[in-house]
Amino acid sequence: QVQLVESGGGVVQPGRSLRLSCAASGFTFRSHGMHWVRQAPGKGLEWVAVIWYDGSNKYYADSVKGRFTISRDNSENMLYLQMNSLRAEDTAVYYCVRWEDNRVMDVWGQGTTVTVSS
Amino acid sequence: DIVMTQTPLSSPVTLGQPASISCRSSESLVHSDGNTYLSWLQQRPGQPPRLLIYKISHRFSGVPDRFSGSGAGTDFTLKISRVEAEDVGVYYCMQATQFPHTFGQGTKLEIK
Repeated sequence: QVQLVESGGGVVQPGRSLRLSCAASGFTFRSHGMHWVRQAPGKGLEWVAVIWYDGSNKYYADSVKGRFTISRDNSENMLYLQMNSLRAEDTAVYYCVRWEDNRVMDVWGQGTTVTVSS
Repeated sequence: DIVMTQTPLSSPVTLGQPASISCRSSESLVHSDGNTYLSWLQQRPGQPPRLLIYKISHRFSGVPDRFSGSGAGTDFTLKISRVEAEDVGVYYCMQATQFPHTFGQGTKLEIK
């Protein structure tokens, strides 16, 4: 079945880096754009970044621009989020999300938790 | 950025009764291709979000027909015809017409 499994979350000090991974299975990964969406504790959803199916285009939320980098490896069916210069406000559950036709976010992973704290 | 505003933020509903959530965008969500990329998502407690409705009114695969979406331009509505216990959770509208994609604050649906 179609599945997205995030990993790489953890507790990290402010200013440090972390790389999140998302393993995709059950569908043709190289045919789909992919997003990262996050949710701070007790808060709503915040879109973070998107990458085109072939990696040709990437967009970021202003809150992470210049610090986070989205990338993918279509040969390994993997999506990544490199997070540098982490701040307390980056503390959240990070979801990997598939982008389908009609600009829908139709498949969500279970999320991985990032906590930025000294 | 497009701001999405939902009302109400909390909605206590009696089982079997209808529920309605409104979502207003700060600018038109009509894309240059003529489509309006407004979606509704449901997040049950402890779960990731789940897609319910896309392009205003298209029900996603497997979504019960008691869920319906309507609206145009900047004003949109999600309706549940008869609320069931499994509908408890937080509902978000989301625009995908332009980047950054943005979400409403969420509406918490609870049973009276």
